[in-house]
Amino acid sequence: ETGVTQSPTHLIKTRGQQVTLRCSSQSGHNTVSWYQQALGQGPQFIFQYYREEENGRGNFPPRFSGLQFPNYSSELNVNALELDDSALYLCASSHGISNTEAFFGQGTRLTVV
Amino acid sequence: KNQVEQSPQSLIILEGKNCTLQCNYTVSPFSNLRWYKQDTGRGPVSLTIMTFSENTKSNGRYTATLDADTKQSSLHITASQLSDSASYICVVSLENYGGSQGNLIFGKGTKLSVKP
Repeated sequence: ETGVTQSPTHLIKTRGQQVTLRCSSQSGHNTVSWYQQALGQGPQFIFQYYREEENGRGNFPPRFSGLQFPNYSSELNVNALELDDSALYLCASSHGISNTEAFFGQGTRLTVV
Repeated sequence: KNQVEQSPQSLIILEGKNCTLQCNYTVSPFSNLRWYKQDTGRGPVSLTIMTFSENTKSNGRYTATLDADTKQSSLHITASQLSDSASYICVVSLENYGGSQGNLIFGKGTKLSVKP
């Protein structure tokens, strides 16, 4: 167990809908990064939150947005879902933004139909 | 562009056998290299993490090596077990934030299947 919890574990949504995924970071960690992992591929960086501020963003459209709360838990919101958004969404928590070890949650499997 | 390449893409071995997975990277500025094990549909779990000055690190039956000069790493699995069936992902961490790639550069992974 990494101490990083994601919810829900599985989700099915219809194209055009909106979804919110949640991540509780490990105790003492102030940084959360979100990744999208398509089947058979490595994780792709979506964005990172450090102390409640967005600290960087990957090549994802604005309909992917996020939030980090004072307790350092985080949300990933995706609007206007598309079929290609179907993937495993991972969050990783760490202390700091640079070369500290990152611990991953178990992921949320999103299926868009 | 920072990249991490892994080989082979997939591997099938018999239970009890050894295997070695490869990772080549072109990442700068390099901070550390990590190997993760990822079961299907689950989040990655850290196996080893090595800094520039470390050239080998073990975690039970897993031994990782790092050659910072040639920018190559390997993960050796000894006496494989059925539970070793998973994807193994090589990840290189940047010294500083990497812009649109983030500070962790992922390989695509090697899918290992251990057969009885």
